Amino acid sequence: EDQVTQSPEALRLQEGESSSLNCSYTVSGLRGLFWYRQDPGKGPEFLFTLYSAGEEKEKERLKATLTKKESFLHITAPKPEDSATYLCAAKTGANNLFFGTGTRLTVIP
Amino acid sequence: DTGVSQDPRHKITKRGQNVTFRCDPISEHNRLYWYRQTLGQGPEFLTYFQNEAQLEKSRLLSDRFSAERPKGSFSTLEIQRTEQGDSAMYLCASSRDANQPQHFGDGTRLSIL
Repeated sequence: EDQVTQSPEALRLQEGESSSLNCSYTVSGLRGLFWYRQDPGKGPEFLFTLYSAGEEKEKERLKATLTKKESFLHITAPKPEDSATYLCAAKTGANNLFFGTGTRLTVIP
Repeated sequence: DTGVSQDPRHKITKRGQNVTFRCDPISEHNRLYWYRQTLGQGPEFLTYFQNEAQLEKSRLLSDRFSAERPKGSFSTLEIQRTEQGDSAMYLCASSRDANQPQHFGDGTRLSIL
């Protein structure tokens, strides 16, 4: 059975305190690992797609990496505006996205 | 690009009533997806369209749910005889093709009284 697990469920950081979010996946026929950001009351906003182990993508303070079983979202020197829920999703052979439950990040000024 | 647009943003209805939501995808996006999201959970796939053809349905999509995409443009999701368990955020997403990322609208929040 396809499974995507995110940890931790919630994370509180001081402004400037770097950390990583984890997404472990067990899916058949992975066709991409996606990261999204979701603000309260809004739809998910696309951040990154990763296709193969060893691949890395960066955008501002965020960097996503992929191994054969996990993906990490590294946040360097976060700011309060980075506070959101971060969702990862695996795209399987069926073409739809299979989401984890997310990590709720709070960055304290 | 203008983003994915969903209407209404909020819908409150009594149990047993029918409701319909609309989604306007990003222009020239051939694929359109519907997801459902409950509090504290990630979105769950319901169904998707390639142009006007509905190609896949999740087992979550009971026979009270029906989705259409006439002419391959906007889509509607109808729920008949709503139940308490239907309360959720209904999200629509679109992508240019199977290999491009899905872009989401801000959803319709459904509350069943």
